[in-house]
Formats: sequence, structure tokens, C-alpha cells
Amino acid sequence: DIQMTQSPASLSASLGETVSIECLASEGISNSLAWYQQKPGKSPQLLIYGASSLQDGVPSRFSGSGSGTQYSLKISGMQPEDEGVYYCQQGYKYPWTFGGGTKLELK
Amino acid sequence: QVQLKETGPDLVQLTQTLSITCTVSGFSLTTYNVHWVRQPPGKGLEWMGAMWNGGGTDYNSAFKSRLSISRDTSKSQVFLKMNSLQTDDTAKYFCARRSGYYSLDYWGQGVMVTVSS
Repeated sequence: DIQMTQSPASLSASLGETVSIECLASEGISNSLAWYQQKPGKSPQLLIYGASSLQDGVPSRFSGSGSGTQYSLKISGMQPEDEGVYYCQQGYKYPWTFGGGTKLELK
Repeated sequence: QVQLKETGPDLVQLTQTLSITCTVSGFSLTTYNVHWVRQPPGKGLEWMGAMWNGGGTDYNSAFKSRLSISRDTSKSQVFLKMNSLQTDDTAKYFCARRSGYYSLDYWGQGVMVTVSS
């Protein structure tokens, strides 16, 4: 199975700060990478697909980049509603696998 | 609009079988794949398996032969069945629709299942 390693496991950001979350795949996944946000008690929400495409309705301060085995999610200007846990997910090979999550809090 | 809703038991006894139904609306099961993902309390997400739009299935081998996914297209329902439940199967179980881009674009609210001894 493809292992997805996310970093950091947690971080705290100030209002308006730019935040980056990294995801490393154990093998190349050809940009078949998605990012989700999950708030407490809620279902995950798709933010980014295909490594860099923004899902409809997601604010433009979210962006994704990367290639091969290394991918990142950037939030350009932290907002209070961005608090939550963020997961990466590879869809290159079955079984699909998720990163361990990054908990983002407002400082 | 697209919706998915899971229904199932809150509590299942140790070694018994879990059955969850995912009822979808706003799209056809013959057009989109539906996946199952679970999340133990306070932990991350685990992909379990999928029902293809053509009727085939795929499973995470981590569940060995315990897991079965089926559907009734006339009722717009996808079914998850997992036997020989253990306490570490306690989790929230989600169904989700696969988008065209190797991701899950709509999710149900999930059903929290506790395995009790």
C-alpha cells in the first residue's frame, strides 16, 4: 500500500498568516492527490483534487501544489473558519490511503 | 442536490455482523462510484472499499474477507456488511461519492458504531 506521511501533525497560526501543510507519498502518485478539511463532528470536505485544482465553492486562499511524491496545501491568510483537521489522500492506487492528519488551530 | 445518508445501528455486539445502508439522492449509482471510509474516535480516515458504477467492487485487503459491499440501484442504496466485529471496529462509518478526479466530493454525515463486549 502507498503510505502518506503528513507534516506537521499540528500547528497554530495567527489570523492572516500563511500556512503550509506537507504530504509525502511512499511512491510517485502522478498528482492523484486530494486534500480535505474536517471540522469536529463533521464529515470531511473536499478542498483540492488533482493536487492543485480547487473544488467548487472552496475559498481561493486554499491552494495545492506538488508532483511525484511531494505535495503541499497552502492557506494564504488564515481565517477563524479554517480551524480543523486537514487530510491528504492518494487516489493513484487501491487501496486509497490517507495521511495521518494535521490539526490546525488559530493562535 | 447531491446527498448521501448512512443508516445503521449505534451498537453491535462483539463478533457480530455490522450492516449499514447508504441512501443517495441527486445522482445515479450507475454513473458514480460510492466509497466507504471509516474513522475511529479521535483518529484518522481509513478507506474500506468501493462500489463501482458498473456493479463491481473493490476492497481494502486490511479487512480480508470480512467486508462485503453491494447495492440496489432501484432504491439508490449501497450496503456495507462486515462480520466478526472486534472492539477496534468501533468507528464512524461514512459513505462518499467519488468525483471524476480520484477524490471524494460528497460525503454522508456518517454513522457512529460502537462494538460492545
